[in-house]
Amino acid sequence: DAGVTQSPTHLIKTRGQQVTLRCSPKSGHDTVSWYQQALGQGPQFIFQYYEEEERQRGNFPDRFSGHQFPNYSSELNVNALLLGDSALYLCASSRRRARETQYFGPGTRLLVL
Amino acid sequence: DAKTTQPNSMESNEEEPVHLPCNHSTISGTDYIHWYRQLPSQGPEYVIHGLTSNVNNRMASLAIAEDRKSSTLILHRATLRDAAVYYCILRRETSGSRLTFGEGTQLTVNP
Repeated sequence: DAGVTQSPTHLIKTRGQQVTLRCSPKSGHDTVSWYQQALGQGPQFIFQYYEEEERQRGNFPDRFSGHQFPNYSSELNVNALLLGDSALYLCASSRRRARETQYFGPGTRLLVL
Repeated sequence: DAKTTQPNSMESNEEEPVHLPCNHSTISGTDYIHWYRQLPSQGPEYVIHGLTSNVNNRMASLAIAEDRKSSTLILHRATLRDAAVYYCILRRETSGSRLTFGEGTQLTVNP
């Protein structure tokens, strides 16, 4: 079982650019959540996808958007990047019906210059 | 979401027990107490969770106060690999999969 995988592992962008991060959930999981973790802080919930729709959203602007595909994998898109978007972006998967614990991927480290 | 309070940091010696406290005085009856930990350069990892009764698993034990306003994560024999940030999280059944992390407790394990 591969667990939750994310790509890329690291990324450097400049202000104003757009970025797409990818996540493959753990086998058997149908729900994907995204978190942003700034240095020295705990992860902050961005949004959650289930059945290809955004189901819950945290306190993040519309520049943050996502998508879930029929195979349950997911993308996080961030437009008009700001310096403050520099963070570790974590993907977590779970099985919605069972309301199980979440399994996290290793994250994508984004640096905005 | 109800708030949790944890010490910023704690130290332990290898092979000794560690008791990580968490206060959650505004906990509601439907809030589960979850613990996750984050090792360096990794995503958070589930440790244990409970509602009212104490819980044990292969990683740790969770002791929950009778009034549920506090809990303690117990690592019975700390190893160097247990050095991590430990997060105590209250998760309401109606909140779905969403987890609200605080800043956690940085555990240092000394050899």
